[in-house]
Amino acid sequence: GAGVSQTPSNKVTEKGKYVELRCDPISGHTALYWYRQSLGQGPEFLIYFQGTGAADDSGLPNDRFFAVRPEGSVSTLKIQRTERGDSAVYLCASRPTGTGANVLTFGAGSRLTVL
Amino acid sequence: GENVGLHLPTLSVQEGDNSIINCAYSNSASDYFIWYKQESGKGPQFIIDIRSNMDKRQGQRVTVLLNKTVKHLSLQIAATQPGDSAVYFCAETPSFYSQGGKLIFGQGTELSVKP
Repeated sequence: GAGVSQTPSNKVTEKGKYVELRCDPISGHTALYWYRQSLGQGPEFLIYFQGTGAADDSGLPNDRFFAVRPEGSVSTLKIQRTERGDSAVYLCASRPTGTGANVLTFGAGSRLTVL
Repeated sequence: GENVGLHLPTLSVQEGDNSIINCAYSNSASDYFIWYKQESGKGPQFIIDIRSNMDKRQGQRVTVLLNKTVKHLSLQIAATQPGDSAVYFCAETPSFYSQGGKLIFGQGTELSVKP
């Protein structure tokens, strides 16, 4: 597609439930990032994929969070046993490799609300 | 204004005036800096970037200044327009050439343009 696509745009769930957020990067972009943005804050890094593998997952807050990118394109962020503190906008970004520049193109985000 | 809790620093300007948005970064080893603009309900959008071997870079109506001595970055917007109203974030990364370098975002400044 023309841009980074994220679904759902909004997700409301109850505490303790499981959630999946999907990211469809720009076609041909091999690098994919997940960020989390809380109200009034800048985006915080969660995880970075280069191709199918997670090259850096140092930002994942705990083992309830997991992300996959099995075919090196679409990625899914998975959150188990959601907590109210997980409420945030989850942003996905992608970047082509080989350019050298870390300019990320972001999607509009998935707003997660945990009741 | 001051940042207290969830409240972003804010800058209010009159349409047609110049705007200056400031950012203090933390890592003296950062090599590459980017300014992003984020409108309500959208993901961050790239504005301009600068490497640490430069102290000034100009784009269309925007200029970024870098002062490595005091670890300060600023974004100047000339002839500010209502469409410039948004939250502006600076971001830093250790290496321009890093293929996996994650961007670290600052908190952001909300720019409000009065017509």
